[in-house]
Amino acid sequence: DAGVIQSPRHEVTEMGQEVTLRCKPISGHNSLFWYRQTMMRGLELLIYFNNNVPIDDSGMPEDRFSAKMPNASFSTLKIQPSEPRDSAVYFCASSLITGLLGNQPQHFGDGTRLSIL
Amino acid sequence: QKEVEQNSGPLSVPEGAIASLNCTYSDRGSQSFFWYRQYSGKSPELIMSIYSNGDKEDGRFTAQLNKASQYVSLLIRDSQPSDSATYLCAVPFDYNLFFGTGTRLTVIP
Repeated sequence: DAGVIQSPRHEVTEMGQEVTLRCKPISGHNSLFWYRQTMMRGLELLIYFNNNVPIDDSGMPEDRFSAKMPNASFSTLKIQPSEPRDSAVYFCASSLITGLLGNQPQHFGDGTRLSIL
Repeated sequence: QKEVEQNSGPLSVPEGAIASLNCTYSDRGSQSFFWYRQYSGKSPELIMSIYSNGDKEDGRFTAQLNKASQYVSLLIRDSQPSDSATYLCAVPFDYNLFFGTGTRLTVIP
């Protein structure tokens, strides 16, 4: 079975440019999560969706960040305009949330390593 | 605020020894617990899940859960250099997983 697929794997761009990260969750999973990981702050949850609806975006650092999930098989995380402090590894994860709340683990994609110059 | 705490390490053990990784959590209502392994430059990978008090064994890995003490641990027997990684404890709440900061393990050949 295919796992969570993220693209691109690496992105290097200049400050001020728009960056779009993409994620395809595992088929059949109904929840999708975007994380950011840095050495200083560890793994931070940015936003998560359940059945394509954003449930909690309190982790989104500021208005420059936005995320969408137009259908069950695709999500994007956009940064506009990008800044050097946005440099990090961005992970997408998906899981199947059933009636037993929180009983299912999350499965992570390989991540996008983002560098803003 | 749901909290998950781990010793950040680093933890160094010689090859063949038992590595013991510990995690405490704040939410008494938590029902399931997960251990992830993350190699440097890679994504977190689920290695163990535990739902009931007691021990759960899977190969060289044993997860131990004590809900009364709000404590979950991971034991790695016969540690190998390939076990060198950061181990993350994760506790779900609602739709979300709360991660500890991770314990960096180094197995010395």
